[in-house]
Amino acid sequence: ETGVTQTPRHLVMGMTNKKSLKCEQHLGHNAMYWYKQSAKKPLELMFVYNFKEQTENNSVPSRFSPECPNSSHLFLHLHTLQPEDSALYLCASSQPGQGGYEQFFGPGTRLTVL
Amino acid sequence: GESVGLHLPTLSVQEGDNSIINCAYSNSASDYFIWYKQESGKGPQFIIDIRSNMDKRQGQRVTVLLNKTVKHLSLQIAATQPGDSAVYFCAEKDDKIIFGKGTRLHILP
Repeated sequence: ETGVTQTPRHLVMGMTNKKSLKCEQHLGHNAMYWYKQSAKKPLELMFVYNFKEQTENNSVPSRFSPECPNSSHLFLHLHTLQPEDSALYLCASSQPGQGGYEQFFGPGTRLTVL
Repeated sequence: GESVGLHLPTLSVQEGDNSIINCAYSNSASDYFIWYKQESGKGPQFIIDIRSNMDKRQGQRVTVLLNKTVKHLSLQIAATQPGDSAVYFCAEKDDKIIFGKGTRLHILP
């Protein structure tokens, strides 16, 4: 276990549904990330939060809406998704300022949009 | 666009042999490199990192080599074991971390 948990592990939703992905880290880190992992493509950074403030939005469509209520929790709210949004969504955390940039990843949520 | 890539999408290695996974990067300003391992059904897991002021770093059964002249990074796994089966991908950092596509390592019995 990496200390980063994600729920649900699997999610199937229609294009008109609204759902949320949850991430929780138990490592005391102050930076959290959302990544999208599609088949045969590199990890795509979506959002970065540092000390609960969003510091990066990598041109992500507005149908993805992140929320970071505190340094331990990160949500990704989904609405009116498209089939091409089907992918593995990974959450990660790190501790800024420790010299390294190691990110600790959760197991991911496998999302299928019908 | 993607600046980090791997030479082979799949690598098959006999159990007990050494594995070498390669990665090319294009940003000469990158100053930090990381190798991750991703097993089926799991998120990526940090293996080893190296800064641009080094050309070699060793961990437990793993060695990372950095050749800045040709912008090449490699991961060597000694005495490959069945538990090493996974997708391995490198990442580089300049102002942000960029990940490569990954190489799937198959272990042959």
